[in-house]
Amino acid sequence: QKEVEQDPGPLSVPEGAIVSLNCTYSNSAFQYFMWYRQYSRKGPELLMYTYSSGNKEDGRFTAQVDKSSKYISLFIRDSQPSDSATYLCAMTGGTSYGKLTFGQGTILTVHP
Amino acid sequence: DAGVTQSPTHLIKTRGQQVTLRCSPKSGHDTVSWYQQALGQGPQFIFQYYEEEERQRGNFPDRFSGHQFPNYSSELNVNALLLGDSALYLCASSPLRGGGPQHFGDGTRLSIL
Repeated sequence: QKEVEQDPGPLSVPEGAIVSLNCTYSNSAFQYFMWYRQYSRKGPELLMYTYSSGNKEDGRFTAQVDKSSKYISLFIRDSQPSDSATYLCAMTGGTSYGKLTFGQGTILTVHP
Repeated sequence: DAGVTQSPTHLIKTRGQQVTLRCSPKSGHDTVSWYQQALGQGPQFIFQYYEEEERQRGNFPDRFSGHQFPNYSSELNVNALLLGDSALYLCASSPLRGGGPQHFGDGTRLSIL
């Protein structure tokens, strides 16, 4: 079993939809949680960086962390075609702090 | 403010050869981490450097080695290349001896023939 599980999709939604992306994990030592966006032929771009449980909002993006369930989510409101990309969850903590463990990535397409 | 820069962008090698990839961190960052990303997969951690020493290592063989220079830039070396080493190699930098979020470069795409 992988430490971090992420549904690879692909996910296809119409412009303006609310998108929900999710990851589950097994390592209870993880304390820092990130979401990255990766366009084709580019490196991952940091979208959200959160510590421990709770919510964080930045513009159209909201990150949620539920450590009791070992479950994290990223919500995208009013999705745009420019949001079409691969979304990667990543996490770190404990004795391996600094080593990011990634999910497989979810491919998202927002069509006009 | 320049972000993380990597060179070269693309590289083609044959089995058994050796390769060196380079990374310059974002201004103000002192820690560099390297990742390997196979097609359709999330990045896999190779190792992390700060203060010119390897601080953590992932599950990669000794054929993968690295170096960090006094100006915080870094190199990744891979010896005895295998077909399975074909991947996107990503460098990430972070501040505070690894105590902050990691920012990635656009990677070096390595193809082994």
